[in-house]
Amino acid sequence: AAGVIQSPRHLIKEKRETATLKCYPIPRHDTVYWYQQGPGQDPQFLISFYEKMQSDKGSIPDRFSAQQFSDYHSELNMSSLELGDSALYFCASREAPGELFFGEGSRLTVL
Amino acid sequence: KNEVEQSPQNLTAQEGEFITINCSYSVGISALHWLQQHPGGGIVSLFMLSSGKKKHGRLIATINIQEKHSSLHITASHPRDSAVYICAVRTGSQGNLIFGKGTKLSVKP
Repeated sequence: AAGVIQSPRHLIKEKRETATLKCYPIPRHDTVYWYQQGPGQDPQFLISFYEKMQSDKGSIPDRFSAQQFSDYHSELNMSSLELGDSALYFCASREAPGELFFGEGSRLTVL
Repeated sequence: KNEVEQSPQNLTAQEGEFITINCSYSVGISALHWLQQHPGGGIVSLFMLSSGKKKHGRLIATINIQEKHSSLHITASHPRDSAVYICAVRTGSQGNLIFGKGTKLSVKP
């Protein structure tokens, strides 16, 4: 069965660079969530989309932006990267109000 | 005080033991998730609960809405069950998840 696909799985960037993470939800899922998990930390909610519109916003820095496209995939854009942005970024999707499915995560390392 | 509290933080068990991980929350929820995360790995959703009890293989999850408490049980534990187990609650139909700090389980052969 199709799962939530995230790309890239690993990404290394320098400080002040820009990174883009992609999330492809399970077909027919209408809701996408982004989470950030720092080393040794629990995941923190960043932002969510329902039917291509932003539905909720968490602790997402102003340097980050995200959107959901017409094919329901979502992209998280991160600019002016800082060392503290190094984390595992999870995407999850669901067909509301159903079960939540997580991607494997994209590990971003900022040097 | 965290909105989602898990106990214990760390748990070491011998293979075959019955394991219980507890989760208490202080907010109104629409659903509670039990998640499993292996070291360096992705998150797998084990259960989504809004009431009662669910069972999948050796895993059982229960929730008591009145007491705002949920438990995850693992019967006949196995070393491959070693992982971090995270309780997360969803507030509202479109609400994001609020995560507990996780319980690190290590099952020794």
